[in-house]
Amino acid sequence: DTEVTQTPKHLVMGMTNKKSLKCEQHMGHRAMYWYKQKAKKPPELMFVYSYEKLSINESVPSRFSPECPNSSLLNLHLHALQPEDSALYLCASSQEQVGYTFGSGTRLTVV
Amino acid sequence: DQQVKQNSPSLSVQEGRISILNCDYTNSMFDYFLWYKKYPAEGPTFLISISSIKDKNEDGRFTVFLNKSAKHLSLHIVPSQPGDSAVYFCAASMSGGSNYKLTFGKGTLLTVNP
Repeated sequence: DTEVTQTPKHLVMGMTNKKSLKCEQHMGHRAMYWYKQKAKKPPELMFVYSYEKLSINESVPSRFSPECPNSSLLNLHLHALQPEDSALYLCASSQEQVGYTFGSGTRLTVV
Repeated sequence: DQQVKQNSPSLSVQEGRISILNCDYTNSMFDYFLWYKKYPAEGPTFLISISSIKDKNEDGRFTVFLNKSAKHLSLHIVPSQPGDSAVYFCAASMSGGSNYKLTFGKGTLLTVNP
């Protein structure tokens, strides 16, 4: 299995909702990432987990809360988001510098 | 400060010809470079990578060249096909530790005309 699987593919949520994005990989990669991509912009790093521990938080607002339940799973919990948080959220995994693989993303719309 | 630059927002080439996409970087600590292809509303798809100990890496129709002294890399696609039409991102990372943050350029939209 050489894929990173993200669910759901699309999500529409209100500003008072709580939702979660899920990411799964079975490549044995020890680093997992959340990126955010707005239209016509490059992906921007949000969080890095290394060996199931949060190692980088790129000053992301607390309304985004990451969680790594085990080495294969990565969640992003969303609460009280703003319309400007609407974007494509990408999960990725890697083993050191090689094999850096992205999922197909979750298209999030906040209404 | 933009550490990875793709100065051409778009490129148009004829089918069968060579496509050359360019990327410059400013951080000399970067030692691993990747090219990704991306369609709208999809995740980036890995194409090819190169380590700073090499100056060329080839995979089928895709070749990446690295000029460390100029802090410049390029992706060559030969021959170009209409299915290659997409946004191409250059990305860079540095070794050390167990996290490998990718720093992306802004992307170049490649259009291959039949």
